[in-house]
Amino acid sequence: ETGVTQSPTHLIKTRGQQVTLRCSSQSGHNTVSWYQQALGQGPQFIFQYYREEENGRGNFPPRFSGLQFPNYSSELNVNALELDDSALYLCASSSQGSEGYTFGSGTRLTVV
Amino acid sequence: GNSVTQMEGPVTLSEEAFLTINCTYTATGYPSLFWYVQYPGEGLQLLLKATKADDKGSNKGFEATYRKETTSFHLEKGSVQVSDSAVYFCALSDQGSGTNAGKSTFGDGTTLTVKP
Repeated sequence: ETGVTQSPTHLIKTRGQQVTLRCSSQSGHNTVSWYQQALGQGPQFIFQYYREEENGRGNFPPRFSGLQFPNYSSELNVNALELDDSALYLCASSSQGSEGYTFGSGTRLTVV
Repeated sequence: GNSVTQMEGPVTLSEEAFLTINCTYTATGYPSLFWYVQYPGEGLQLLLKATKADDKGSNKGFEATYRKETTSFHLEKGSVQVSDSAVYFCALSDQGSGTNAGKSTFGDGTTLTVKP
């Protein structure tokens, strides 16, 4: 079975720009969650998508938004980038009702 | 809200030494508990889990027991190897409703270095 794949692996953006990160979930998984991991810290929950709808959200402003597609893949969009948005963005997939995630390797975003 | 507190690192051990990484949690409900491992340049991998009190999760020689009375889930391994060098994260998941649905709460991670 294929794991979770994320693209791109690295990205450099300028403050104020917009960015889209992509994620393909593991085969058989219908739920996708996004996390932000700052250097030296644990992942922070951004939101989760199930059946193409957001069904949980952490303490992130509305400029963080997402989509889930019929094939369960997902996008994370961040508008009006700020320097503090520089982090590793992790996508994780799971089956609804199951315990534990399968994580992708992440997208390293640098905002300059 | 939910929180996870991990033993601060870094932890440096010699090969074949005994490992303990402490983890305590605060949660309003009855969460499931997890340990994840992150190798350099990679995402997190699920190491083990426990879904109810007194359950023991185990994998690859690592073990952790869900202790409700002490709200702890300490990670242990009897004999570490150089290949165990990584960052270890304790996490909890409370399959609640509303905005917390699907959320896992992670500790800040403990870096383990095992020397030959």
